[in-house]
Order: sequence, then C-alpha cells, then structure tokens
Amino acid sequence: GAVVSQHPSWVICKSGTSVKIECRSLDFQATTMFWYRQFPKQSLMLMATSNEGSKATYEQGVEKDKFLINHASLTLSTLTVTSAHPEDSSFYICSARGGTGGSREQYFGPGTRLTVT
Amino acid sequence: GENVEQHPSTLSVQEGDSAVIKCTYSDSASNYFPWYKQELGKRPQLIIDIRSNVGEKKDQRIAVTLNKTAKHFSLHITETQPEDSAVYFCAASTGGATNKLIFGTGTLLAVQP
Repeated sequence: GAVVSQHPSWVICKSGTSVKIECRSLDFQATTMFWYRQFPKQSLMLMATSNEGSKATYEQGVEKDKFLINHASLTLSTLTVTSAHPEDSSFYICSARGGTGGSREQYFGPGTRLTVT
Repeated sequence: GENVEQHPSTLSVQEGDSAVIKCTYSDSASNYFPWYKQELGKRPQLIIDIRSNVGEKKDQRIAVTLNKTAKHFSLHITETQPEDSAVYFCAASTGGATNKLIFGTGTLLAVQP
C-alpha cells in the first residue's frame, strides 16, 4: 500500500517551453503533497507544500509564477515548470501524506528527470 | 526556519563494520526525525524514524538515537553489507498541519566487500 507515482519519469524540453509533471497517490487519499527538487549529488530541497483544494505554500526563494502547483483532487497534484531554462534541469520528486492523524510518514514518488536544452 | 546539518558527507567502511551518521537540527520544536536511503536515480526510501518522545529505536541492523537536549540524532548501521551502499539522508519536522520535512545534506556510504 501507499504507492505514489509520477509521470513522466523523464522529459527533455527546449528552453522557453513549459513542462507538466504529475504526481498521483494510487491507493490512498493524499491530503498534503510536497514537491522537492534535487540537483546532482545534493539533498532534496522542498519547493512547496500543497493541500487539496487550496493554494500551494512555496518555500523561500522558489518562484511561484514559474513553478505552478495544482492539487485539484486528493489523489493528484501537478507541477508545471513554465518557461523552462537549462538551470531548471533537475530531478523533481513529489511526496504525499495521507490523512490519518497518527502517521507522519511521507510516501515518495519515483521522481522525474527534467533536462532543458 | 529549521536547518539540519549532517556528517560525514562520505563514509567508507569494510563489510561487517558499523557505520554511524550524525545530524543536528536547529529548531527545538522539531519532533519527528526520519532517515532515508536513496540509491542513484531512485526515490528516497524510509528506513527508520523516531519521534521526540523516544530516545532510541531499533530495527534489526539499524538503530536511531535522539538527544533532544543537544538537538542531535544519529543513525547506526551494524554488520554493514555491500547492499547498504547508498546515500543516506536525515530529516526533521516540526509537525503541524503540513508536517514538512527539512533534509540534511546527505552521506554517501560505501561498504567495501
């Protein structure tokens, strides 16, 4: 149980275009989803937190107009990288947390490798 | 906000030896401390976690200790095996409505056969 999927697993796009990444909780309802970015040989950096039906909360330094997050249902959150540039190339990972009060665990998706040329 | 430091950045041990990774956190309100193992190009996997009302937790070869006063927590792996080789991350969370995690910088563990 507690499976999180991401699509696509990798994507290559041209500079200036937009890319959408989907994060789905397959067997549980995710009240909260998180988006992380991980550059090579670095740690996971939290970009934003999203709760179903409300606006995402972005971490300091993350441009909310560039990284659009939508959490329209309890099983789906999307991250759109708008006007992507080579410096946006990274590994993007989502995680999801269920609604049960006692559980603190986050379930991670497999990640999406974005390459901007 | 919370800041998590992790040491060492790389650790090489012989198979069968123990490995210890240490983290410190800054926010005394943090009360949940998970550890993750990440293999190259894959998702982080939770290997053990501890809450602030417990000082130690063990699961087979893996143990975590927490010193709330010093704001330190450590991962201990005994009888290391080559398949333990990976990057390990600690994290801290203050809980609340979102329960967001702040990650340490990671430790690359290499277990030499």
